[in-house]
Amino acid sequence: AQSVTQLDSQVPVFEEAPVELRCNYSSSVSVYLFWYVQYPNQGLQLLLKYLSGSTLVKGINGFEAEFNKSQTSFHLRKPSVHISDTAEYFCAVTHSWGKLQFGAGTQVVVTP
Amino acid sequence: DGGITQSPKYLFRKEGQNVTLSCEQNLNHDAMYWYRQDPGQGLRLIYYSQIVNDFQKGDIAEGYSVSREKKESFPLTVTSAQKNPTAFYLCASSIGGGTGTEAFFGQGTRLTVV
Repeated sequence: AQSVTQLDSQVPVFEEAPVELRCNYSSSVSVYLFWYVQYPNQGLQLLLKYLSGSTLVKGINGFEAEFNKSQTSFHLRKPSVHISDTAEYFCAVTHSWGKLQFGAGTQVVVTP
Repeated sequence: DGGITQSPKYLFRKEGQNVTLSCEQNLNHDAMYWYRQDPGQGLRLIYYSQIVNDFQKGDIAEGYSVSREKKESFPLTVTSAQKNPTAFYLCASSIGGGTGTEAFFGQGTRLTVV
């Protein structure tokens, strides 16, 4: 079985400061990892994904994530956040056909 | 413009009634999914379908039913057997057929029992 743990339920951050959202997963086989963003009352939008190859993955809106197999982590980072980055962020993992397992989400609140 | 359309955006249901949430996609994707979202619990899989006329239960299928008669459509019925149906429901689709395929999401339907 696979599972995803997002270690922070809420992350407050000042505008133009860096942010890191932590995600750990457990799986007995190779996995594929995703980060999604959700704005209020909307669906989810893919930020980035790791399938194979380079462990540093760059996504949209200046986000990047690093896959660490030994620590079973896939943390999301942005060097300088904007007010518009206020949203909920979900880490997800899959290893079987298309079934995404989601973490509980991290709410990012950016203040001026 | 390709995408996934969920309707309605907001839905109110009286206790004891069945309601059906619509999900249509024009991405030519084989796989479709229904997730339920509650605050602090992430997304939980209700049902998924890999191909037309076939679907499987997810983690929380009790009180829900689906059909997949057409490739582009995957409606979800919330039955009166679902004890706590108030939630945000998200439909998604993916190319399917293998691992690593990302899911594309609709804008969601917020269901409230009154």
